[in-house]
Amino acid sequence: DAGITQSPRHKVTETGTPVTLRCHQTENHRYMYWYRQDPGHGLRLIHYSYGVKDTDKGEVSDGYSVSRSKTEDFLLTLESATSSQTSVYFCAISESAQSSYEQYFGPGTRLTVT
Amino acid sequence: AQKVTQAQTEISVVEKEDVTLDCVYETRDTTYYLFWYKQPPSGELVFLIRRNSFDEQNEISGRYSWNFQKSTSSFNFTITASQVVDSAVYFCALSGFITGNQFYFGTGTSLTVIP
Repeated sequence: DAGITQSPRHKVTETGTPVTLRCHQTENHRYMYWYRQDPGHGLRLIHYSYGVKDTDKGEVSDGYSVSRSKTEDFLLTLESATSSQTSVYFCAISESAQSSYEQYFGPGTRLTVT
Repeated sequence: AQKVTQAQTEISVVEKEDVTLDCVYETRDTTYYLFWYKQPPSGELVFLIRRNSFDEQNEISGRYSWNFQKSTSSFNFTITASQVVDSAVYFCALSGFITGNQFYFGTGTSLTVIP
């Protein structure tokens, strides 16, 4: 199993508060991703990183920001949480940017915004 | 545009039956890759298989088999002699040469195997 952890695993927060989710990997993979999973939508890419301090937006990036100061850590911040951001968030890693490489996923973080 | 359609939202089968999960994709890439992932009730996502667009040979792994047909833009997944442990949500995903490392996932098929 790929060494990917996410913290926290569960979080309940109030509307309007900032929230930061952490993804940590021990595989030294260059590429890291944040997805959200919602019923009826599958998984949708929020942001991804192709190296330390190198990030880019995905399909559903509004309301989210990311940072990567070390190879092993990729942080996702909800600047001002809204109820529409209630979701399960998955981090993934990949060895390469080539489309042939599978992504390996962390265990997920269940976030509830009340 | 890149798009993956899994039209079957939920499927229920009795243990030992065979079941096929459908995946239809759209892409403008001539070089692309298709993937299947399994998400059991515990919630993690498990990689099952990768197939590239130049290899239409079917693949079998134990009770699992995959049928890739470019002519119909389909990459279907069959489980033979299903077991209760196969109960999960299964996702099909697509990545293309142009979009690089961005994956496009279908909405998933929830499979329930009844003992």
